[in-house]
Amino acid sequence: EDKVVQSPLSLVVHEGDTVTLNCSYEVTNFRSLLWYKQEKKAPTFLFMLTSSGIEKKSGRLSSILDKKELFSILNITATQTGDSAVYLCAHQGGSEKLVFGKGTKLTVNP
Amino acid sequence: NAGVTQTPKFQVLKTGQSMTLQCAQDMNHNSMYWYRQDPGMGLRLIYYSASEGTTDKGEVPNGYNVSRLNKREFSLRLESAAPSQTSVYFCASSDRVWSTDTQYFGPGTRLTVL
Repeated sequence: EDKVVQSPLSLVVHEGDTVTLNCSYEVTNFRSLLWYKQEKKAPTFLFMLTSSGIEKKSGRLSSILDKKELFSILNITATQTGDSAVYLCAHQGGSEKLVFGKGTKLTVNP
Repeated sequence: NAGVTQTPKFQVLKTGQSMTLQCAQDMNHNSMYWYRQDPGMGLRLIYYSASEGTTDKGEVPNGYNVSRLNKREFSLRLESAAPSQTSVYFCASSDRVWSTDTQYFGPGTRLTVL
């Protein structure tokens, strides 16, 4: 059965810190891995990583995919209070169903 | 361009009552999805519709029915609500089912079943 495990489940840091969020997955016929940010309401898309795109960067956020070790990390540098959110990881595999992890709740204190 | 819209935003039901959650998208997407999110859990797929006229079960379909009314609209019905269905429900859409395109989410409906 396909599954996604995120760690840590929650994290509290101070503004300016760098954080690394982890996502490990088990999937048959990997197609893509996605990261979403959820601030109280709907998840908003951050990154999609596929076999042809294993590293993505946008501003202070970056993500890499290790297909051999079956994990991905989301890195946030110089964190700000606005980065406080739940970060969701999801993968799409051969079953064609998007499977989400439980999320990492990030709290950035001033 | 409103994206994905959902109604209602909040709803309180008594056990055994029925209701329909509405979802509409204006992005001309082919595929639509219903998820539920419980505290401390990720999103779990209830049903999805790859295209107009088709629907398929997801991970947790029991107790729910869906209707893909047209390309824009995808509704979720609870025939006899149970407290275990207390959750936040999200509708999403994408250009085609399980594509590597992004799924766009609606704002959610917070449902409480007493």
